[in-house]
Amino acid sequence: GDSVTQMEGPVTLSEEAFLTINCTYTATGYPSLFWYVQYPGEGLQLLLKATKADDKGSNKGFEATYRKETTSFHLEKGSVQVSDSAVYFCALSLTNRDDKIIFGKGTRLHILP
Amino acid sequence: DTGVSQDPRHKITKRGQNVTFRCDPISEHNRLYWYRQTLGQGPEFLTYFQNEAQLEKSRLLSDRFSAERPKGSFSTLEIQRTEQGDSAMYLCASSLASPGDYEQYFGPGTRLTVT
Repeated sequence: GDSVTQMEGPVTLSEEAFLTINCTYTATGYPSLFWYVQYPGEGLQLLLKATKADDKGSNKGFEATYRKETTSFHLEKGSVQVSDSAVYFCALSLTNRDDKIIFGKGTRLHILP
Repeated sequence: DTGVSQDPRHKITKRGQNVTFRCDPISEHNRLYWYRQTLGQGPEFLTYFQNEAQLEKSRLLSDRFSAERPKGSFSTLEIQRTEQGDSAMYLCASSLASPGDYEQYFGPGTRLTVT
């Protein structure tokens, strides 16, 4: 079945470090791919998305590129801030079908000042 | 505030009791989704509605769970005879589901604790 696998956390980095959170997927169709973020005490927010191969989603300095050949959607940021500390979820959805979102288990990110 | 709202935000109940949660989607959103998130895991799909029709239910949704969206607006999720394993965050999301716009907007969730 359809699934998402992302690197386990927690990930601890110093402020201004480079961030990569790996994500790979398995899908029977042609999915849209997402990264959601959950800040402490807050609800899920869409961080970025990509709907077709080679698309790059970007927001708040974060980027991820839809790689169909490697079935990957790795999240990157060049210089993290303490305020980026949160749980990040990679996810997929088969748009034009039921649109239900299939999430990875999440990666907790801690940024040290 | 025109976002997705959920009520209550927290619920503590004793095992065996029934509980009901409510979700108010963004107005004019025709799709409404319920997800469940347990500690340390990502949200898992439970069920979704297109207007008032319930179109899909996950096998996670046992017979003790029932969801309704009677007028195609707000939705309720009821759990009968709660068990400790039902303790989780229950998330609601809504979407417009029109070509080019399938983004789901999530509510803050209802945290259920079964003692």
